[in-house]
Amino acid sequence: KAGVTQTPRYLIKTRGQQVTLSCSPISGHRSVSWYQQTPGQGLQFLFEYFSETQRNKGNFPGRFSGRQFSNSRSEMNVSTLELGDSALYLCASSPPEGTGGLETQYFGPGTRLLVL
Amino acid sequence: AQRVTQPEKLLSVFKGAPVELKCNYSYSGSPELFWYVQYSRQRLQLLLRHISRESIKGFTADLNKGETSFHLKKPFAQEEDSAMYYCALSGRGTDKLIFGTGTRLQVFP
Repeated sequence: KAGVTQTPRYLIKTRGQQVTLSCSPISGHRSVSWYQQTPGQGLQFLFEYFSETQRNKGNFPGRFSGRQFSNSRSEMNVSTLELGDSALYLCASSPPEGTGGLETQYFGPGTRLLVL
Repeated sequence: AQRVTQPEKLLSVFKGAPVELKCNYSYSGSPELFWYVQYSRQRLQLLLRHISRESIKGFTADLNKGETSFHLKKPFAQEEDSAMYYCALSGRGTDKLIFGTGTRLQVFP
């Protein structure tokens, strides 16, 4: 099976712009989570989607939003970008409950966003 | 408050030495505990989870509910174990992971 894919891999934006990141989960996975990774804050949970519904949300401002499509692909959007939004954004997908075995979350390679 | 604490940012050992990466957690309820590893230029990947009670690549971790700890141990470190290790927890019914700040393990020859 192909792994979790994220596009684009690298992105440079300027303050005030908006950005959309995409995540394609492993085939058959219906749960997608997003994380922000920075040197200062580490890995922080953004949101989690399951069957097109947001199941959980982290402590991020409303500028950060996401959605999930019927094919389980997910996008996250950041509006009015700030310098502090520069980070690696990771997406992870999970198989249906009870089928995951040892590996229950698979991470993508991430999208590295630089805000100038 | 839900929190994962990894007190060491960096742990350096020589090949063949025992390794213990510390992890303490705070959670109201019964969390699931995980160790994730990120090798250089590779994706974050699951190393082990407490409910499976397995040994992966020689690593083990025991959940101590009394001390709210989930330390990762290996009796004899190998150079290929050099990586960033993250302890994480999750609640029931959600895939949301709360990560610690990570510990970089350096194994010298």
